[in-house]
Amino acid sequence: LAKTTQPISMDSYEGQEVNITCSHNNIATNDYITWYQQFPSQGPRFIIQGYKTKVTNEVASLFIPADRKSSTLSLPRVSLSDTAVYYCLVGDIKAYGQNFVFGPGTRLSVLP
Amino acid sequence: SAVISQKPSRDICQRGTSLTIQCQVDSQVTMMFWYRQQPGQSLTLIATANQGSEATYESGFVIDKFPISRPNLTFSTLTVSNMSPEDSSIYLCSVGVSRDTEAFFGQGTRLTVV
Repeated sequence: LAKTTQPISMDSYEGQEVNITCSHNNIATNDYITWYQQFPSQGPRFIIQGYKTKVTNEVASLFIPADRKSSTLSLPRVSLSDTAVYYCLVGDIKAYGQNFVFGPGTRLSVLP
Repeated sequence: SAVISQKPSRDICQRGTSLTIQCQVDSQVTMMFWYRQQPGQSLTLIATANQGSEATYESGFVIDKFPISRPNLTFSTLTVSNMSPEDSSIYLCSVGVSRDTEAFFGQGTRLTVV
């Protein structure tokens, strides 16, 4: 499974757009990129998943450049409730399912 | 989506004893996984629970210590055997309807070994 590198922590203010970039230089051809969010005392929650280019859903966008060695999770207009740990994960989900090697994640703090 | 019920939600156990954690899903799922999350740390995959066969364990985890059952497509158990204080952690069940669809996590079982 490819390793990922992401900032340990980020601060933002309410109403701002937040972009969290993840590096996965050793990503394999069959690997997908997945982001999860975790609040204290809860299990992680799926945010978004993609393979290439851009994926958008009701809560976030995921930008993946052509070389796929990095990806950026974009959260539009964050609120205090978006304060959480965000995990970037890569893996061959079609072969192994959604069992991931979790890194330390990015601790996002949204300030008023 | 899948709704996961994990039991117990928390427990305090004596060292040397064993605890079985249950994961019940409200619908049939293809994939079931067990993770551990130590306080303030990230998640570590323990094993993939395979229906009708032995679980697939990750490096550093063995069946004698963490026996897993998965008798059907909606239920799995993880036992933490011969516990020591180092086993104090949150244990999480994760499920997926299919391999390439999103995984859902339970709320976790907070285990404290004294």
